[in-house]
Amino acid sequence: RKEVEQDPGPFNVPEGATVAFNCTYSNSASQSFFWYRQDCRKEPKLLMSVYSSGNEDGRFTAQLNRASQYISLLIRDSKLSDSATYLCVVTAMDSSYKLIFGSGTRLLVRP
Amino acid sequence: DAGVTQSPTHLIKTRGQQVTLRCSPKSGHDTVSWYQQALGQGPQFIFQYYEEEERQRGNFPDRFSGHQFPNYSSELNVNALLLGDSALYLCASSLERQPYGYTFGSGTRLTVV
Repeated sequence: RKEVEQDPGPFNVPEGATVAFNCTYSNSASQSFFWYRQDCRKEPKLLMSVYSSGNEDGRFTAQLNRASQYISLLIRDSKLSDSATYLCVVTAMDSSYKLIFGSGTRLLVRP
Repeated sequence: DAGVTQSPTHLIKTRGQQVTLRCSPKSGHDTVSWYQQALGQGPQFIFQYYEEEERQRGNFPDRFSGHQFPNYSSELNVNALLLGDSALYLCASSLERQPYGYTFGSGTRLTVV
């Protein structure tokens, strides 16, 4: 079983749509959680951190459910520029604080 | 402010050859991590260097080795290249005291033929 699992998509949505991505993680001891965005053939970039209380950044809302080991990302009012791969990330519980990435969910926003 | 710089950007090698990839961390960062991203997959942790020592290693064979220099820059070496080593190699730097503040470089795309 992968440590972080995501639906690969692609999610193909019209501009203005609301879209939600989910991911699950296997290590209940993981402490920090993130969503990264990766454009085609580019490096991953931090989109937002994820907290149990939920957090919002403009059109983006992230939520963490520790009991279910489940992380979500909601994008409202999708823009063409939101087209990218969204990577769910958790941290390992060791001295390296290494990031453990899911395989990513691809989003295509069409005009 | 320069971010993370990786070189070269692209590289083509033949099976069995050896390759060295280079990374200069973001100014002020002291920790360097290397990741391998195969096509269609998320990045996989290779190893991390801090104070010129390998601090943690992922599930990669000994063919993958690295080094960190006193100026915090780093190299990733891969020996006896296999076709399956073809991937995007990403370097990420951070501050040891702010471990989650990663900055990624734009990567080196390695193709093994």
